[in-house]
Order: sequence, then structure tokens, then C-alpha cells
Amino acid sequence: EAQVTQNPRYLITVTGKKLTVTCSQNMNHEYMSWYRQDPGLGLRQIYYSMNVEVTDKGDVPEGYKVSRKEKRNFPLILESPSPNQTSLYFCASSFRADRMEQYFGPGTRLTVT
Amino acid sequence: AQTVTQSQPEMSVQEAETVTLSCTYDTSESDYYLFWYKQPPSRQMILVIRQEAYKQQNATENRFSVNFQKAAKSFSLKISDSQLGDAAMYFCAYRRDYGGSQGNLIFGKGTKLSVKP
Repeated sequence: EAQVTQNPRYLITVTGKKLTVTCSQNMNHEYMSWYRQDPGLGLRQIYYSMNVEVTDKGDVPEGYKVSRKEKRNFPLILESPSPNQTSLYFCASSFRADRMEQYFGPGTRLTVT
Repeated sequence: AQTVTQSQPEMSVQEAETVTLSCTYDTSESDYYLFWYKQPPSRQMILVIRQEAYKQQNATENRFSVNFQKAAKSFSLKISDSQLGDAAMYFCAYRRDYGGSQGNLIFGKGTKLSVKP
């Protein structure tokens, strides 16, 4: 089944404790992206990747890191989480960076206390 | 910069009836793609329908259809024969159509649709 998977689905952590949210897709997509969803603000892009080893900042990259060492995986790293990073996070992928619709993972609910 | 506006924070429809969700967008580009995504209580983002800006014909997917008015920069979603499972948050989204772009979807803030039995 073609899909985007994310883990964990739920995470409660404390300020400053490094964490990683994994994302994997099995559709051989070149483009992958991370979004965060906040009430009243909609979905905003954090980072994106055009292909392996090619990543760039989205609209709200502060406090996040990513890597793309393999085509299928695109982990999101929070080196020192803060409460303002409490949010719902989505990983998405598409065949290319333009035209095509993006397919979303199931979301990760992160709470930083 | 492109923006997407959904002016109806909440809508309600009776089961089996028809409802239309509004979306307007602002762009200076001529080629782009528009989407409607559905987010049910499970929070999964599900693609409902897509529209290529270069196509004059409105997209249709079963009970879902759009009214795409390029000159007016309007992209409304019509849901016919509404079902209880249609209850969800609906997001309108825009994506640029050329390589080298950021590739992100630009989302509206969403419309919460309730379906009454």
C-alpha cells in the first residue's frame, strides 16, 4: 500500500530534551516536506527536500533540523524543544516539487512541557 | 506572495443535501494547481479533488465537484448528497507550477463542515 508513515503518533516531552520524528514514504517520491498545524494558523511548511541530500528551509524553520540521507526517509529533529513547538506535525511527499498533489502522513501530536 | 482565503469558518448541511464551500486565492502567476483536502477527526489529511489552472473544465470526483473561476480567483467545492462521513475540516490549498520553487502547499485556514442527520 502506498503511504507516508510517521512515528511516533503522539509524544509528550520536556523542554530541552532532543527528539526525532521519523517520516518514511514508499512511493519513490523525490519531494518531501514537513508542516506544522496550529489552531487559527493553518498548516505552515517547516522544511522541505527536493531529493536526497537536498534540503531547504520552509516558512517556519526556527528550532528544527532535517536530513535526507535516503530517498524514502525524512526525519524531523528538534534539538532543544520548547513549549512553542507544541503542535500537530505532518510529513508529506510528492513525486516532484511542482504540480503534483502531496500525500500526507497521519500526523504527530507533540506536546512540550 | 500567494494567499488562500476561506471566508466560512464553519458550515452546516443536512444529510443528503448539497453544500458549497468557498475559497479565494491571490496570485500573480498563470500556471498553478488548486486542491481541496479533507481533515476528519482522525486528523489525517485526505486529498478530495485537484484542479489544474490551465484546464477550463471543472474537476469532478464522484459527489465532489469544483467551480473554478480563474479570472475571479475563486475555487469553491460543492458536495452533493452529503453524508455523515463528510463531516470534517476542509482546506483549500494552492501550489505553484514550476520547478525550483519551494514546492509547498499554501493552505487556507479551513472550513469546519457539520452534517446533520
